[in-house]
Amino acid sequence: DGGITQSPKYLFRKEGQNVTLSCEQNLNHDAMYWYRQDPGQGLRLIYYSQIVNDFQKGDIAEGYSVSREKKESFPLTVTSAQKNPTAFYLCASSSGTTKVGYTFGSGTRLTVV
Amino acid sequence: AQSVTQPDIHITVSEGASLELRCNYSYGATPYLFWYVQSPGQGLQLLLKYFSGDTLVQGIKGFEAEFKRSQSSFNLRKPSVHWSDAAEYFCAVRNTGGFKTIFGAGTRLFVKA
Repeated sequence: DGGITQSPKYLFRKEGQNVTLSCEQNLNHDAMYWYRQDPGQGLRLIYYSQIVNDFQKGDIAEGYSVSREKKESFPLTVTSAQKNPTAFYLCASSSGTTKVGYTFGSGTRLTVV
Repeated sequence: AQSVTQPDIHITVSEGASLELRCNYSYGATPYLFWYVQSPGQGLQLLLKYFSGDTLVQGIKGFEAEFKRSQSSFNLRKPSVHWSDAAEYFCAVRNTGGFKTIFGAGTRLFVKA
């Protein structure tokens, strides 16, 4: 079955370390997205990519970086510059048309210890 | 700027009772509108979407939503709630020419026996 796989499901990081969250899709979708979810704040867009080798900053890109070297993969790196990285991170994808919704992964919960 | 407001942080309904979750949006034209559902610790699942035509749209799991342009609303309804409907519900808006989707803060639904 097609879908989006995020790994790991839980991740613990020490302060000052960079970590990379994986997101892989086999839906042949062109666009991919990273959202951050905090209680009571809904989803906030970190980065998005419409095609391979191209990506744009979202509303809260500071302290994060991404790459899009393959259509299937859109990894997110949470750098040590991110002041408050503890959150639930969601990856999503969609086809090229704007009339469709997103398909989401099951998320990665990152905790800084 | 686009925005989505879900006025109710949480709602409690009895099993078998009807449900209405409110959503108001701010956008200059007719946007694409979506409702998603999220179970605890999981990603979001698309319930339904509206982009044109009939203002009453049907979705999965027995949900429907009505687009009211005059009120800038897109409320989600279900005639009879089941205990398995307990989850968090997100309204979202996407502009007709872009790739970004704006999410509301969510409404958590509790179902009592």
